[in-house]
Amino acid sequence: DTGVSQDPRHKITKRGQNVTFRCDPISEHNRLYWYRQTLGQGPEFLTYFQNEAQLEKSRLLSDRFSAERPKGSFSTLEIQRTEQGDSAMYLCASSLGWGPILTPPNTEAFFGQGTRLTVV
Amino acid sequence: EDKVVQSPLSLVVHEGDTVTLNCSYEVTNFRSLLWYKQEKKAPTFLFMLTSSGIEKKSGRLSSILDKKELSSILNITATQTGDSAIYLCAADAFGNEKLTFGTGTRLTIIP
Repeated sequence: DTGVSQDPRHKITKRGQNVTFRCDPISEHNRLYWYRQTLGQGPEFLTYFQNEAQLEKSRLLSDRFSAERPKGSFSTLEIQRTEQGDSAMYLCASSLGWGPILTPPNTEAFFGQGTRLTVV
Repeated sequence: EDKVVQSPLSLVVHEGDTVTLNCSYEVTNFRSLLWYKQEKKAPTFLFMLTSSGIEKKSGRLSSILDKKELSSILNITATQTGDSAIYLCAADAFGNEKLTFGTGTRLTIIP
């Protein structure tokens, strides 16, 4: 399978525990995004990387959240001291991007299957 | 703040009907509008629109962008039960790499 893959698919954790999710993008894609989706809502942007550099972070991303993409390939998203409000589907996407401004659009973003987090 | 609004929020039709889903956007330095279909987990890509008035088609699905009206529509003709899904509209901007999504339209096709 050459699409975006995420692991695990489901995670149930107790409030206060730390969790880490992994995303493997499509191999030639240089851009990787994390989104969060709650029931009845569209995905909300959390952060994105171009290669190994984290270039943008949403205000939604509190200091309990940290994301890395150390070698410009796979990425991890860690949530520390989880809260019930963190329960959501965490989606990863990747695309092939060029310059930042006044350039052709990136290729479309392809999404992984998501990690559903339940904090009890 | 950038915003994308979809309507209707929910739609139930019979198999064979034609449906039109709407998306409007308020995005600074708008670049492109994208449509995704979400059935159970991952949103799957349908269309990316950057130019006004040029229809994109894929089988029974088609979409068009109107930059003057800041809107787009997604048409599905001869609907089938497999078209039942949430249809998401998203927009991005020059210099801003995130996608801003609408809340989606939940489409249900009754056999």
